[in-house]
Amino acid sequence: DTEVTQTPKHLVMGMTNKKSLKCEQHMGHRAMYWYKQKAKKPPELMFVYSYEKLSINESVPSRFSPECPNSSLLNLHLHALQPEDSALYLCASMTGGLYNEQFFGPGTRLTVL
Amino acid sequence: AQSVTQPDIHITVSEGASLELRCNYSYGATPYLFWYVQSPGQGLQLLLKYFSGDTLVQGIKGFEAEFKRSQSSFNLRKPSVHWSDAAEYFCAVTTGTASKLTFGTGTRLQVTL
Repeated sequence: DTEVTQTPKHLVMGMTNKKSLKCEQHMGHRAMYWYKQKAKKPPELMFVYSYEKLSINESVPSRFSPECPNSSLLNLHLHALQPEDSALYLCASMTGGLYNEQFFGPGTRLTVL
Repeated sequence: AQSVTQPDIHITVSEGASLELRCNYSYGATPYLFWYVQSPGQGLQLLLKYFSGDTLVQGIKGFEAEFKRSQSSFNLRKPSVHWSDAAEYFCAVTTGTASKLTFGTGTRLQVTL
């Protein structure tokens, strides 16, 4: 299995809802990432997990809450989002070591009403 | 801090024509460089990467890139473009910290038949 999967593919939520995005990989990668991508822009790093511990938080608002329950799974919990949070949310994973490529999932298209 | 510049926001080429997408980087140490491609609404796929060694690197789908330290460039080339190559192309450089990727702003490639 050489892919990163993300569910759901699309998500529409209201500003008072609580929802979660899920990312899974079975490549044995020990680093996992969440990115946010607005239309016609490059991905922006949100969080990095290394060996299941949060290693980087790029000053993301607390309405986004990441979780790494095990080495294969990464969640992003969403609560009280704003319409400007609507974007494509990408998950990625990478093998151990400093200089390897990141493998990206297909993303979750999130719309906040 | 590292940065990546992709000077061309949008490029249009005819199918069968050659292609060159420009990428310039600014980074104090030895750069580790990537080219990713993204089709609309999809995740990012790695085309090729440069870490060290031969400065001309071959990638998937017939793409290649040449690292030129003197010009701080890592341009992507393809001798003959196919209509299916129409997509967004991102150049990226990694730092040594959890392999954080810094992306360029992207170049949108349109292919005319």
